[in-house]
Amino acid sequence: AQKITQTQPGMFVQEKEAVTLDCTYDTSDPSYGLFWYKQPSSGEMIFLIYQGSYDQQNATEGRYSLNFQKARKSANLVISASQLGDSAMYFCAMSLNTGFQKLVFGTGTRLLVSP
Amino acid sequence: DAMVIQNPRYQVTQFGKPVTLSCSQTLNHNVMYWYQQKSSQAPKLLFHYYDKDFNNEADTPDNFQSRRPNTSFCFLDIRSPGLGDAAMYLCATSRGLAGGNEQFFGPGTRLTVL
Repeated sequence: AQKITQTQPGMFVQEKEAVTLDCTYDTSDPSYGLFWYKQPSSGEMIFLIYQGSYDQQNATEGRYSLNFQKARKSANLVISASQLGDSAMYFCAMSLNTGFQKLVFGTGTRLLVSP
Repeated sequence: DAMVIQNPRYQVTQFGKPVTLSCSQTLNHNVMYWYQQKSSQAPKLLFHYYDKDFNNEADTPDNFQSRRPNTSFCFLDIRSPGLGDAAMYLCATSRGLAGGNEQFFGPGTRLTVL
């Protein structure tokens, strides 16, 4: 079974600085996808970035990049130039590419960006 | 804009009084999901529909039911809510079941049980 581990319950960063949110995963399946979602206090889950297990390059989406280290089974999210609006809960999730795509979430990291 | 809509955003019900939460989508996606998220926890999948094909997670209590009358709408029925059912309920959609299909989430319905 898949498992996602986020070891940082909370992170603090100053505005305009970069921050890395950690995520490690465990699966024996070679084909899978990794996702990061942002959940503000309003509650909705906002998709940020996706990395496929066979993708050769690290995914990037604007200020978000995913530091994918397959051998270490890690998929850390890097947010560059943090903004106050980045304060939220961040969830790492994965799904297998075969059969039903069930998203398995980590426990989340709460990010607080200070002025 | 294409989106996932949930109504109501906040729902208060009494212990044991049936309640229905609504989700609609304009994305024309084949798959719709219902998640339960309790405070400070990760979302937990309750069930999903692939078209009209209903799939229940093994540990979803019988108290939770779902209906999908058409592609656009999906309902979550809680037959006899208990205090432990107070949570955020998230609806999501995806184009297909295969990997790499991003799930699009609605804003959620926060359920309070008195």
